[in-house]
Amino acid sequence: QVQLVESGGGVVQPGRSLRLSCAASGFTFSRYTMHWVRQAPGKGLEWVTFISHDGGNKYYIDSVKGRFTISRDNSKNTLYLQMNSLRAEDTAVYHCAFWNGVVPDFIGPFDFWGQGTLLTVSS
Amino acid sequence: EIVLTQSPGTLSLSPGERATLSCRASHSVNSNYLAWYQQKPGQAPRLLIYGASSRATAIPDRFSGSGSGTDFTLTISRLQPEDFAVYYCHQYGSSPSTTFGQGTRLEIK
Repeated sequence: QVQLVESGGGVVQPGRSLRLSCAASGFTFSRYTMHWVRQAPGKGLEWVTFISHDGGNKYYIDSVKGRFTISRDNSKNTLYLQMNSLRAEDTAVYHCAFWNGVVPDFIGPFDFWGQGTLLTVSS
Repeated sequence: EIVLTQSPGTLSLSPGERATLSCRASHSVNSNYLAWYQQKPGQAPRLLIYGASSRATAIPDRFSGSGSGTDFTLTISRLQPEDFAVYYCHQYGSSPSTTFGQGTRLEIK
């Protein structure tokens, strides 16, 4: 069965860096565009970034451009989110997610989600 | 960017009643690429509806979606105890951008 397991969250000071991981199993990871979606405590969902199946296309919301970098290692079935210059407003649970479809340049509804990993940015 | 506004913010109903949740878009949603998710505390969101009206795999038929353009509705025909949760709409028709509504909390009256 499809599994997405995020890791790497924790407490970090403002201005520091952290890398999140999402380990995928139960499906052919290299076929699918992958996303990171975050949820601040007690708040709604906010899409953050995606990466195409081969890593060739990436897109970010404005608030993280230049600070966050999404990447993937298809040989390890793992998605990453490198987060630099962290701010208090980046505090959230970070979920990886994807649409079980392979139409190029199409985002799709998110069929599968991981449970998320909590990032807290605080001094 | 398409902004999605959900209403009401909180809906208080009793089991067995009918729930109607609204999602309004700031611009027309391309091809009705609008999804609904259910989220319970401490859990990941679960896809309920996609394409505005198609039920996802294993979703009970008491959940239905409707609407087009800028106005969409999620209806739960007879509320079960397990349906009390937060519901989000999501538009995915304006790639590469995609946005969520702020959520509607469905609580037991």
